[in-house]
Amino acid sequence: DVVMTQSPLSLPVTLGQPASISCRSSQSLVDSAGDTYMHWFQQRPGQSPRRLIYRVSNRDSGVPDRFSGSGSGTDFTLKISRVEAEDVGVYYCMQGTHWPYTFGQGTKLEIK
Amino acid sequence: EVQLVESGGGLVQPGGSLRLSCSASGFTISSHWMRWVRQAPGKGPEWVASIKGDGSVTSYVDSVKGRFIISRDNAKNSLYLQLNSLRTEDTAVYYCARDQLETWGQGTLVTVSS
Repeated sequence: DVVMTQSPLSLPVTLGQPASISCRSSQSLVDSAGDTYMHWFQQRPGQSPRRLIYRVSNRDSGVPDRFSGSGSGTDFTLKISRVEAEDVGVYYCMQGTHWPYTFGQGTKLEIK
Repeated sequence: EVQLVESGGGLVQPGGSLRLSCSASGFTISSHWMRWVRQAPGKGPEWVASIKGDGSVTSYVDSVKGRFIISRDNAKNSLYLQLNSLRTEDTAVYYCARDQLETWGQGTLVTVSS
């Protein structure tokens, strides 16, 4: 199975400051058609996960533009330009290229 | 509005069975891959099973192969997961989701305990 390794696992951030989460996969996430199925999810306390970014860098509908995704191959990054209080929660990367699809361990973002 | 609503969870003894349902609205499930994803208490999500739009292809994570069965009824616009030979480690919130997980339900809790 593809292992997704996130860092850091805990991320204390001051309101208004930027934040960055890294995700590394154990093998390339580029499929035979050249697409990369790497997504980012946010899970607020007590809620279902919500997809924020799909296929590396595309924001889902309704996602604030302070969230951005980048990367290629095996190395990916989620960035929040200015953290707001509503961003508290756990963030997961997920690969949907190789079955079984797999998630990272999660990064818990909290406000300092 | 695209919506997924799961039901059927509950408390069951080890070795028991449950059938989860997921009712979809706002879209036609026959046009989409549908998935079941679970999340054990305090843990991250885990893919469980997938089924193609026409039901012709199914896939399972190794830990549930031979015990869980994913199915769909396109006429009812619904997805199902039959859970058999349940183990304590199957305790989790079970979510249904569409395609590459752009839409999730609210989840249904399955607790396996004696």
